[in-house]
Amino acid sequence: AQSVTQLDSQVPVFEEAPVELRCNYSSSVSVYLFWYVQYPNQGLQLLLKYLSGSTLVESINGFEAEFNKSQTSFHLRKPSVHISDTAEYFCAVIESNFGNEKLTFGTGTRLTIIP
Amino acid sequence: GAGVSQSPSNKVTEKGKDVELRCDPISGHTALYWYRQSLGQGLEFLIYFQGNSAPDKSGLPSDRFSAERTGGSVSTLTIQRTQQEDSAVYLCASSLAGGIRHNSPLHFGNGTRLTVT
Repeated sequence: AQSVTQLDSQVPVFEEAPVELRCNYSSSVSVYLFWYVQYPNQGLQLLLKYLSGSTLVESINGFEAEFNKSQTSFHLRKPSVHISDTAEYFCAVIESNFGNEKLTFGTGTRLTIIP
Repeated sequence: GAGVSQSPSNKVTEKGKDVELRCDPISGHTALYWYRQSLGQGLEFLIYFQGNSAPDKSGLPSDRFSAERTGGSVSTLTIQRTQQEDSAVYLCASSLAGGIRHNSPLHFGNGTRLTVT
């Protein structure tokens, strides 16, 4: 069965510093991977995804994540964070077997940017 | 355009009462999902609909939980004889035909916060 682990429940970072939010998954088959973000008082929205192809995927606001099959990881990074990046970030996985639509989420990482 | 709409936004109920939570997906989205978010927990999958059918009900916690979808649109999640451990934010999401595996992201509503006293 698929599962996701986000080891860090809270990550405080100074503004303009780099950040990495860790995500590890477990699955016996190939997977698709996602990062969703929840800004304060807003609903969850898709940040970026890996379905196939290049293992490095990017979002429009400067985040990137790299699929590492050998380490079963999909860590999220940004070289320089902004106050507006304050949010809760959820990693999610879905097994690629036909008919499976069950997206499994991690427990989330709350990113706090310190001015 | 309109996003996923959930009602009510907040619901306080007494233990033992039944509650109904409603989800209006984005027009044209045939896939619909219910998740539950408890304090300190991740999002817990409850059920998935494709059209009016529910091919995956594996996440429903007990037989007190049920969900239906009519007309390929509105969905209702019903919790009977509510318990305090049912307190959580219940999230609904929808996506285009083909769902997640076919490159269609989930669009989430703002959720219903259920408090069982």
